[in-house]
Amino acid sequence: KAGVTQTPRYLIKTRGQQVTLSCSPISGHRSVSWYQQTPGQGLQFLFEYFSETQRNKGNFPGRFSGRQFSNSRSEMNVSTLELGDSALYLCASSLPTSGSSTGELFFGEGSRLTVL
Amino acid sequence: DAKTTQPTSMDCAEGRAANLPCNHSTISGNEYVYWYRQIHSQGPQYIIHGLKNNETNEMASLIITEDRKSSTLILPHATLRDTAVYYCIVTSGSRLTFGEGTQLTVNP
Repeated sequence: KAGVTQTPRYLIKTRGQQVTLSCSPISGHRSVSWYQQTPGQGLQFLFEYFSETQRNKGNFPGRFSGRQFSNSRSEMNVSTLELGDSALYLCASSLPTSGSSTGELFFGEGSRLTVL
Repeated sequence: DAKTTQPTSMDCAEGRAANLPCNHSTISGNEYVYWYRQIHSQGPQYIIHGLKNNETNEMASLIITEDRKSSTLILPHATLRDTAVYYCIVTSGSRLTFGEGTQLTVNP
C-alpha cells in the first residue's frame, strides 16, 4: 500500500513569490491535514480538508491556503513568500473518523521549502 | 486541547524497556491520548492512542492512570532505531497540537 506522497520534496523560492505543494493521500483516505515544522515553532497545524471542504484551520495568515480535490488529493499554496515561511511542510492523511477521535494520521516525508 | 508536559530528553540502553512519561492534568473526558514519534528529517509516525484503558500494539504499550492525568508510553525492547523525538498529544478533535516532545536516545 503506497504511503502519503508529497511533491516536490525540496524547493527554493525567493521572497514575494508564491508556491504550491501537492499531497496524495493513502488510497481510501478522505481526510488530509497540513502541518508546518520550523526549528523555532515546532510542528504547527495549518488546516484539514475532508470531502473537499476545509474542516479545521490553524492560526496562520491568509497567505496560506489549501484545497482538496474529488480524488482526495490536496494542495496548499503560500503567496507572497516571506523568509519565515522556510520550513518543512508535512501532509497527513487519515480514514474518516466517527467523532471524538482523530484516528491514526499517516504523514508524508514533507516538502522542504527554502525562501531566500 | 489539553496541554501536555514531557521530559526534554531521556536515555535508554538497547534491549531495555523505554518508559516515556507524559502529564496531561487538564485532560477532559472526551480527549484521547496519542503518541507519535519523529525520526530525524522524516514525517511523524503514529505509535498508539487510548482513552481510558491501557492499550498495546506491535510497537508499544500505553498505560493511562485511572484519573487520566498522566500516561506512560512503553517501548518494551528499545533498539537503536527507536532513537527519535516522541510526542504525547491530547485531543478530541481532528487536529494535533505538537509540543516539544521527548528526545529519546537509545544507546548501544
